[in-house]
Amino acid sequence: DSGVTQTPKHLITATGQRVTLRCSPRSGDLSVYWYQQSLDQGLQFLIQYYNGEERAKGNILERFSAQQFPDLHSELNLSSLELGDSALYFCASSVGTGASGNTIYFGEGSWLTVV
Amino acid sequence: GQNIDQPTEMTATEGAIVQINCTYQTSGFNGLFWYQQHAGEAPTFLSYNVLDGLEEKGRFSSFLSRSKGYSYLLLKELQMKDSASYLCAVKEGNTPLVFGKGTRLSVIA
Repeated sequence: DSGVTQTPKHLITATGQRVTLRCSPRSGDLSVYWYQQSLDQGLQFLIQYYNGEERAKGNILERFSAQQFPDLHSELNLSSLELGDSALYFCASSVGTGASGNTIYFGEGSWLTVV
Repeated sequence: GQNIDQPTEMTATEGAIVQINCTYQTSGFNGLFWYQQHAGEAPTFLSYNVLDGLEEKGRFSSFLSRSKGYSYLLLKELQMKDSASYLCAVKEGNTPLVFGKGTRLSVIA
């Protein structure tokens, strides 16, 4: 158990809908990262927050957004869902901003299936 | 950005040794990580290298050559439970980790 908690574990929804994925980082970690993993792709970095502020942005679609709250939990919002958004979404956390040596620890992931 | 390359699949025999290679191209290398991921589960941290050389941790070792843009993960005394994907990830500057597509290792009896 990494200490990173994600909910829900599984989610099935229809195209065009909107979902919210939730993440609680490890105790003491200030950074939260979101990654997407689909069958034919590796882990794709989406976005990072550090202590409530957006820190880095990857290949995140405009239909997706995220935020980190004062209690450091984070939410990833996915809207106007398409079939291709079906994937495993991981949240990870680290103690610092992600400087060299800061290991990131992953949650169990949220399986999203868009039908 | 990084260009990370590792073999897609490997097969090895229980009790044997296997080496999983990773090559990368980056302009501001700031560390290399190896993660293990069982199918449908979370990646778990295995090792971290930032300086050249070998880091040993039990049955797993990781090597880095910065000048060659090369790393390998060495798994000794393979067990069936080592069947998993092994992800090489590179840190460039202070940007978040970028992962390779992973090497799926099958351990057979």
